[in-house]
Amino acid sequence: QSVLTQPPSASGTPGQTVTISCSGSSSNIGNNYVYWYQQVPGTAPKVLIYRNSQRPSGVPDRFSGSKSGTSASLAITGLRSEDEADYHCATWDESLGGHVIFGGGTKLTVL
Amino acid sequence: QVQLQESGPGLLKPSETLSLTCAVSGDSLSSSIYYWGWIRQPPGKGLEWIGTIFYSGSTYYSPSLKSRVTMSIDTSKNQFSLRLTSVTATDTAMYFCARQFWFGEKRLDPWGQGALVTVSS
Repeated sequence: QSVLTQPPSASGTPGQTVTISCSGSSSNIGNNYVYWYQQVPGTAPKVLIYRNSQRPSGVPDRFSGSKSGTSASLAITGLRSEDEADYHCATWDESLGGHVIFGGGTKLTVL
Repeated sequence: QVQLQESGPGLLKPSETLSLTCAVSGDSLSSSIYYWGWIRQPPGKGLEWIGTIFYSGSTYYSPSLKSRVTMSIDTSKNQFSLRLTSVTATDTAMYFCARQFWFGEKRLDPWGQGALVTVSS
């Protein structure tokens, strides 16, 4: 059971907008940055969003992140087939001396 | 361009010790900006952060694995290592190493390609 809660699956058709949520608490999301990682099956995760809403160079602006209180969201607009992947949220948790925690991951299917 | 590459035995028996090394190129482990971390992913499951180490040897470990984990760093070889003792089948996973931003944020970027470790009798 992950400390951060994500829906296990999401889907959309090409061109649609999909939003993936990530819910936590005051000891993690509430007081720390949220990160989103994209993992194409069979490959290593790569950072998609850092510091809640910042995109690394090379990440299309179709991907955007937001945070409010103890929850965060990843939005993908203009959905494309190559967006089919697993998406993981992560943050720092201040309990027990501090550690990184991940959500359970959301499998995005492009129909 | 920073690259990380994991290496180590792929098959262990229960109760044995898992040992993996991550070789880094394109950046120096002596950097005072980054920590260097390990993350694992059991087959078909989500990611789990194992811990992270600084060039000075300072470490942070996952509370759930702390009793079995030791990380070390060799700046002369530009590599860092993971030891996990008393493994069981639940430790079967893909193990990734990654560079971890630390001061101001905790981003993991980039990641190695991963090393699959299977625990089976």
